[in-house]
Amino acid sequence: QSALTQPRSVSGSPGQSVTISCTGTSSDVGGYNYVSWYQQHPGKAPKLMIYDVSERPSGVPDRFSGSKSGNTASLTISGLQAEDEADYYCCSYAGSYTLVFGGGTKLTVL
Amino acid sequence: QLQLQESGPGLVKPSETLSLTCTVSGGSIRSSSYYWGWIRQPPGKGLEWIGSIYYSGSTYYHPSLKSRVTISVDTSKNQFSLKLSSATAADTAVYYCASLPVVQAVIHYYYYYMDVWGKGTTVTVSS
Repeated sequence: QSALTQPRSVSGSPGQSVTISCTGTSSDVGGYNYVSWYQQHPGKAPKLMIYDVSERPSGVPDRFSGSKSGNTASLTISGLQAEDEADYYCCSYAGSYTLVFGGGTKLTVL
Repeated sequence: QLQLQESGPGLVKPSETLSLTCTVSGGSIRSSSYYWGWIRQPPGKGLEWIGSIYYSGSTYYHPSLKSRVTISVDTSKNQFSLKLSSATAADTAVYYCASLPVVQAVIHYYYYYMDVWGKGTTVTVSS
């Protein structure tokens, strides 16, 4: 079970859109529609932002959206705001009741 | 509204067993709607799922930790626990507990994500 691959960092200016990719294999991301995304501010616990590829929990702004194509899932944040600056982690179901995370992406709002 | 809180020693000696407890409030650990899980994050690194447990006692572990991990549930105290044996410096991390909503498929109960997280507790393995 290898970690999913995410870019180490992405950046964007306020108001712009950014997309964070999460690449796995047919045994995890590509095999199931069960990708979730978490936002983590420094020193804080992760917060669920997207589940089941594209579903948003209540309270999460609709600026956050998720999608998947093949073995790669994506998180898109539109209308970037300063408070979106954080680390983002993807997570996928990998079969047999196991979960695998990505290495994390640091989002910088310029 | 569910709340989870981790507790346990912040310092563990190498080769000893790391033990943590997660106390659930705002809901019952016997709820059929949730699995309960542990996730850790080494300093400056990413998240790693450790394992999950259902109130019935069914447990699932990360393949690379399976030989050292035990997760158990104490329904009388509304708590679940993590034990990681033969601890090394590599086990130094912030440990989080979390709830995992159940998805039922025929007779099986699955989980696919963590919705509520505890604040985390730092554990250092050092002599």
